[in-house]
Amino acid sequence: AQSVAQPEDQVNVAEGNPLTVKCTYSVSGNPYLFWYVQYPNRGLQFLLKYITGDNLVKGSYGFEAEFNKSQTSFHLKKPSALVSDSALYFCAVRDINGGFKTIFGAGTRLFVKA
Amino acid sequence: EAGVAQSPRYKIIEKRQSVAFWCNPISGHATLYWYQQILGQGPKLLIQFQNNGVVDDSQLPKDRFSAERLKGVDSTLKIQPAKLEDSAVYLCASSPGTSGSISNEQFFGPGTRLTVL
Repeated sequence: AQSVAQPEDQVNVAEGNPLTVKCTYSVSGNPYLFWYVQYPNRGLQFLLKYITGDNLVKGSYGFEAEFNKSQTSFHLKKPSALVSDSALYFCAVRDINGGFKTIFGAGTRLFVKA
Repeated sequence: EAGVAQSPRYKIIEKRQSVAFWCNPISGHATLYWYQQILGQGPKLLIQFQNNGVVDDSQLPKDRFSAERLKGVDSTLKIQPAKLEDSAVYLCASSPGTSGSISNEQFFGPGTRLTVL
């Protein structure tokens, strides 16, 4: 069965420092991986996705993510954090063997301190 | 481009009452999803439509929840009767293409926050 794990409930980082939000997954087939961000009182917004090809994926707002097949990970990164990046981040996975269902992780709250 | 619209934004009801949520997806999006997001958890898929047909409703509590997407455009999700554990945010999302377009990202509405007392 598909599953997604976000091992950290919260990540704290100082503004200007690099940030990493971790995600690991488990699927039986080839994974399709997504990151979404949720700001207070708003729906989820798509950030980036990995389908195939280059393991480093670039997305919105300067975020990027690295797909690592051997470690079954898809960590979200940004070279220099902004206070406005503070939000709730969700990793999600789909695979053909799981039908068309998207499985979301529990979320990681990112807090960027000025 | 207009986003996914949902109403109401907030709803407070007592247990055993009924409630309905409405969603209007982005124009032209064939696939529509309803998710339940309980506080502190990620969204959980309740039902997925491809046009007006159901693709996946395996996690929908069918004894109390129902959903329809008449004419393949907007959709309603109903709970009858509500239980305390139904308190959550109900998110609607849509994506272009068919359900076979597994690589498509989803576009989410603002959600409806339901409180069951």
